[in-house]
Amino acid sequence: DAGVIQSPRHEVTEMGQEVTLRCKPISGHDYLFWYRQTMMRGLELLIYFNNNVPIDDSGMPEDRFSAKMPNASFSTLKIQPSEPRDSAVYFCASSYGGDIQYFGAGTRLSVL
Amino acid sequence: DAKTTQPPSMDCAEGRAANLPCNHSTISGNEYVYWYRQIHSQGPQYIIHGLKNNETNEMASLIITEDRKSSTLILPHATLRDTAVYYCIVGPSGSARQLTFGSGTQLTVLP
Repeated sequence: DAGVIQSPRHEVTEMGQEVTLRCKPISGHDYLFWYRQTMMRGLELLIYFNNNVPIDDSGMPEDRFSAKMPNASFSTLKIQPSEPRDSAVYFCASSYGGDIQYFGAGTRLSVL
Repeated sequence: DAKTTQPPSMDCAEGRAANLPCNHSTISGNEYVYWYRQIHSQGPQYIIHGLKNNETNEMASLIITEDRKSSTLILPHATLRDTAVYYCIVGPSGSARQLTFGSGTQLTVLP
C-alpha cells in the first residue's frame, strides 16, 4: 500500500482565500484523523471520522474550518477564509480500529 | 491517558544501539505503551507498542519493566536515518483518541 497520501505538500495563499487540503487514507482503514502541528502548540487533533462519519470535531478551531469524508477513500479539510494564524503543517492519519495511526507526509500551509 | 517523561535529547554513535527511556509511573492496568517518531519534515511514524511483555519488530525492541512504570525503546543498530524526535505515549488500546505527543526525545545519530 502507498500509505496515507496528502495533497498538496505545500500551499501558499493569501489571507482571505479558501484553502482545501486533501487526504487519501490507507485502503481498508475505518478511522481518519486530521491534525495540525505548530511550534507553539505541537500536534493537535482537529477532527476524526469513523466509517466516514465525523465523531469528534471539538478540536476544530472555529467555523472557518470544515472537514468532509464523502467516501472511504477521500477526505478534505477546508479553511475559508484563511488567516495568517492558520499557517501550520496539517497531517492526515488513518487507522484500522482507531488504535495505531499511520500518518501522511503532511501539507505545509503558509497564509500570507 | 497517563503522563510520560522523556529526556529532551540523546546522542548515539552510528551502528551502536540507541536506548531511549520513558517514565510512565501513573500508567493504568489497561494502558499500553506506544512509541512513535517524527523525522524532520515528515509525518509521525508508528514504531512499536506493548502492554507488559517485551516486544520486538523489524524496527525496534520495547522493554517494559515488571511494574510497568517505565520502558525503554531500543534501536539495535542506529543509522543516520534514525535521527528524529521519539515520542512515548500511553493509553488504552483499540480506542480512537488524540495522540498526545508531548516533547519527546530528540535522538541524534552521529557518524
